[in-house]
Amino acid sequence: EVQLVESGGGLVQPGGSLRLSCAASGFTFSSYSMNWVRQAPGKGLEWVSYISSSSSTIYYADSVKGRFTISRDNAKNSLYLQMNSLRAEDTAVYYCAGSSGGCNWFDPWGQGTLVTVSS
Amino acid sequence: EIVLTQSPGTLSLSPGERATLSCRASQSVSSSYLAWYQQKPGQAPRLLIYGASSRATGIPDRFSGSGSGTEFTLTISSLQPDDFATYYCQQYNSYWYTFGQGTTLEIK
Repeated sequence: EVQLVESGGGLVQPGGSLRLSCAASGFTFSSYSMNWVRQAPGKGLEWVSYISSSSSTIYYADSVKGRFTISRDNAKNSLYLQMNSLRAEDTAVYYCAGSSGGCNWFDPWGQGTLVTVSS
Repeated sequence: EIVLTQSPGTLSLSPGERATLSCRASQSVSSSYLAWYQQKPGQAPRLLIYGASSRATGIPDRFSGSGSGTEFTLTISSLQPDDFATYYCQQYNSYWYTFGQGTTLEIK
């Protein structure tokens, strides 16, 4: 069964840091580019970051550039998102999502992990 | 950045009716890079359509996608109770992915 499982979410104060993880199983993780997509409470979807299968190419949305760092470990079938200098507007459910080969759509998706930035 | 505008924001229909959801781009989008997702409350999005018109694995044929350039459409030919959800279009262009704001399909 294809599965992505996020972890690491929680409550953090403004200015704080958090590291999200996404564990993949049931597919060849090293062949997929990966993404983080977030959804603020009651709002729509926002793409956050992309990393290619070999980690050679990385993109960020302007809203997180310079504060978030995406990385992956293909040996561990895992994706990460280091989030620093967190702001209230970063509060959201964070999903990891895969893209097969050169595709530019997202499938599969994890179930999401909630990050709340509040004092 | 390409902005995707979905209409209507909310669509109220009855089971068995046909649903037509629109996604308009602020500039031309390659059809290869346009996708549609379904999301139900408390769940992750699910890929429905990729490449503007290709159904993802396991998606019923009542779902179809069409369009090109700046105008794209998701059509559900005969609504089933399980189809009432929020739908998002998504595009990729120049190292940037954007989503529309969503169309919520509700039971009339």
